Amino acid sequence: ETGVTQSPTHLIKTRGQQVTLRCSSQSGHNTVSWYQQALGQGPQFIFQYYREEENGRGNFPPRFSGLQFPNYSSELNVNALELDDSALYLCASSSLAGRTDTQYFGPGTRLTVL
Amino acid sequence: KNQVEQSPQSLIILEGKNCTLQCNYTVSPFSNLRWYKQDTGRGPVSLTIMTFSENTKSNGRYTATLDADTKQSSLHITASQLSDSASYICVVSARRAGGSYIPTFGRGTSLIVHP
Repeated sequence: ETGVTQSPTHLIKTRGQQVTLRCSSQSGHNTVSWYQQALGQGPQFIFQYYREEENGRGNFPPRFSGLQFPNYSSELNVNALELDDSALYLCASSSLAGRTDTQYFGPGTRLTVL
Repeated sequence: KNQVEQSPQSLIILEGKNCTLQCNYTVSPFSNLRWYKQDTGRGPVSLTIMTFSENTKSNGRYTATLDADTKQSSLHITASQLSDSASYICVVSARRAGGSYIPTFGRGTSLIVHP
């Protein structure tokens, strides 16, 4: 186990609703990254937070937003859910936001949008 | 557009055999290349990380190579075990002007090891 936890494990929402996913990073890590993984696909980078500030963002619309707290845990918020948002959402923590930092992934949250 | 292509899409081998997975990328400006192992229903686990100046990196039975000129990488698995059955994902990161690193993931190669 990596020490990175995510909640909830599974979630079912309907189109148009809003959802908040949570991630607790490994002890000593100050960087959290979020990814979306559709079934049968590789993960796609959503954004990264370093010391409570957004530090890079992928090609996701503004309805995907995040927060990082002083204890370095993090939230991913998705507004106006669409059917295509159904996916496994992964978070990963690391001790650096640098080039060769090792990222430790959580088990993911499976989101289903009906 | 930054892209990472992996081949083969899937691979079946017998326990004890070796195999090589391929990764081609068009990510720029290149910062680093990582290989991950992802078991079904679990988060990815880091196997290797290589920067521009490194052309080989080993982690036990896993050996990754990088040719930055041809923009190709391979992951070689030696003496495969049943527990190697998983998806192997190649990730290439680009560094943006603001200093952040943006990763592009391949779709992965699904490896099945049979007894």
